[in-house]
Amino acid sequence: DAGITQSPRHKVTETGTPVTLRCHQTENHRYMYWYRQDPGHGLRLIHYSYGVKDTDKGEVSDGYSVSRSKTEDFLLTLESATSSQTSVYFCAIRPGLEFGELFFGEGSRLTVL
Amino acid sequence: KNEVEQSPQNLTAQEGEFITINCSYSVGISALHWLQQHPGGGIVSLFMLSSGKKKHGRLIATINIQEKHSSLHITASHPRDSAVYICAVRSNTGNQFYFGTGTSLTVIP
Repeated sequence: DAGITQSPRHKVTETGTPVTLRCHQTENHRYMYWYRQDPGHGLRLIHYSYGVKDTDKGEVSDGYSVSRSKTEDFLLTLESATSSQTSVYFCAIRPGLEFGELFFGEGSRLTVL
Repeated sequence: KNEVEQSPQNLTAQEGEFITINCSYSVGISALHWLQQHPGGGIVSLFMLSSGKKKHGRLIATINIQEKHSSLHITASHPRDSAVYICAVRSNTGNQFYFGTGTSLTVIP
């Protein structure tokens, strides 16, 4: 198993509160991704990182910010959670190789009331 | 517009049947991935392909780059194969992946 840990695994929060999800890897992989998974949609990219302090937006980045101050940690922050951000969030990692395989965390289920 | 289309969306099979799931994509790719997700579970990578065919046990994945199409086959299906199978492609113009919406497979004993 790739060493990826997401925390928290489950969270219920109220509209307007800040939320931070953490993705921690022990593989020293270069690329890290945050996706959300919703019924009827494929996994959709929120943000990704290609190195420490190097991040870029994905297709559904509005309302989310990220930070990567260390290779092993990629944080996803919802500054002010909304009900539309209720989802399952997956972190994924990939080595910096041309044909590097993609590994996923176990997912974090977030409910915004 | 969906860069990756999978078919069928849902599939029910009897144990022992041969199963095929299809994936078509519209972008240039450097690799295609087949993923498996059990209900309530995490996502596991089954295959990564850039050409030809790969086999792991009862699972076989093929890709036709010219036709922009891939298939995942399961031989002698078993109830434990029940899961959602997701096709994903890595764009050859960047580091992003595009995902299909998944095929939900149920294998009945």
